[in-house]
Order: sequence, then C-alpha cells, then structure tokens
Amino acid sequence: DAGVIQSPRHEVTEMGQEVTLRCKPISGHDYLFWYRQTMMRGLELLIYFNNNVPIDDSGMPEDRFSAKMPNASFSTLKIQPSEPRDSAVYFCASSLGPAQETQYFGPGTRLLVL
Amino acid sequence: DAKTTQPPSMDCAEGRAANLPCNHSTISGNEYVYWYRQIHSQGPQYIIHGLKNNETNEMASLIITEDRKSSTLILPHATLRDTAVYYCIAAINAGNMLTFGGGTRLMVKP
Repeated sequence: DAGVIQSPRHEVTEMGQEVTLRCKPISGHDYLFWYRQTMMRGLELLIYFNNNVPIDDSGMPEDRFSAKMPNASFSTLKIQPSEPRDSAVYFCASSLGPAQETQYFGPGTRLLVL
Repeated sequence: DAKTTQPPSMDCAEGRAANLPCNHSTISGNEYVYWYRQIHSQGPQYIIHGLKNNETNEMASLIITEDRKSSTLILPHATLRDTAVYYCIAAINAGNMLTFGGGTRLMVKP
C-alpha cells in the first residue's frame, strides 16, 4: 500500500489566491482527517470525515477554509482567498475506524503564502 | 480527551535507553494512552498505545502507572534516527479525533 498520498508537497502562492490541497487516503479507510501544523499552534485538527461525510469541522479557522470528500478515495482542502497567516504544513490522515489503533498520516503539504 | 503534560525537550545518548514521561492525571477510565512521534518534516507516526497494562512492540515499551495518572515511553536502545518530537495523547480511540499537545523533543546524541 502506498500510504496516504498528498499533493502538492510544496505550494507557494500570493495572498488572495485560491489554494487547493489534495489527499488520497489509504484504500478501505473510512475516516479522513485534515490537520494543520504551525510553530505557534502546533498540530491542530481542522476537520474529519466518516464515509465521505464531514463529522466535525469545528477546527476550521474561518469561512475561507472549506473541505470536501466527493468519494472514498479523494478529499480536498481549499483556502480562498489565502492569507500569509495560512502558511503552515497541512497533513491528511486516514484510519479504518473509531476503534482502530492508529491514524496514518501523509507526508504533508508545505504551504507558503506571500 | 484528557490533557497530557510532557517535558518540552530531552537528550539521550546513542545506544542508551530513552525514557519519555507523560502526565495524564485527569485521564478517564475508558481513555487509552497513545504515543506518536514526528520526525522532522514528516507526518506523525504511531508508536504504541495502552490502557492499563504495560505494552511492548518492536519500536518501544509503554509503562503505565497503576493509578493511570502517568506513563513512560521507553526506547530501549536509542539511535540517531529516533531524534523526533514525541507526543503523548489520551483518547478513547486513535481512529477518531486526536488532540496533539506540544510533545517532547528528543535529541539523541552520538
């Protein structure tokens, strides 16, 4: 298994531009999580899905952020418009279900908003 | 999820055992103790978890006190590749929401 796949690995954009981050979870995993990591705030859960349905989006910072999961093998996290304070590493993770022992994390997308 | 407290940093000599402590005094009876680590620029990686009993796997050992208010992750023979941030998390299950704290930055030195 290739593990959780994220793209792009690095993204540099200018303030005001739209940014789309992509994630392919491990096949068969029913849960998908989006995290953001910064030096100031550490690793924060933004949103998670169960069977493609958003369950908890209380960590999404504001309306500029949106996440979708159109099918079991693909999810996007979109920032529109982007701001310099959105610069961070964004991780996607997946798990088999709530009783499983672990989440599997992707390599992350390093986003820099100028 | 119960809050956990870890020292911000620790050093360990290569080849020696690394003992990473974690306090979770408010842990509830159905919460497990999970340990993850994050090597620089990579996503977090699961290490081990336990409820009451001590646990061991190919990566580490987990010692949980009898009152479950604290635990220790043990890397028996630390290598330079074990240099990472180690997170202790108390949660009902790791397949669901996880709350990461500041973790302990372990530096293994030659």
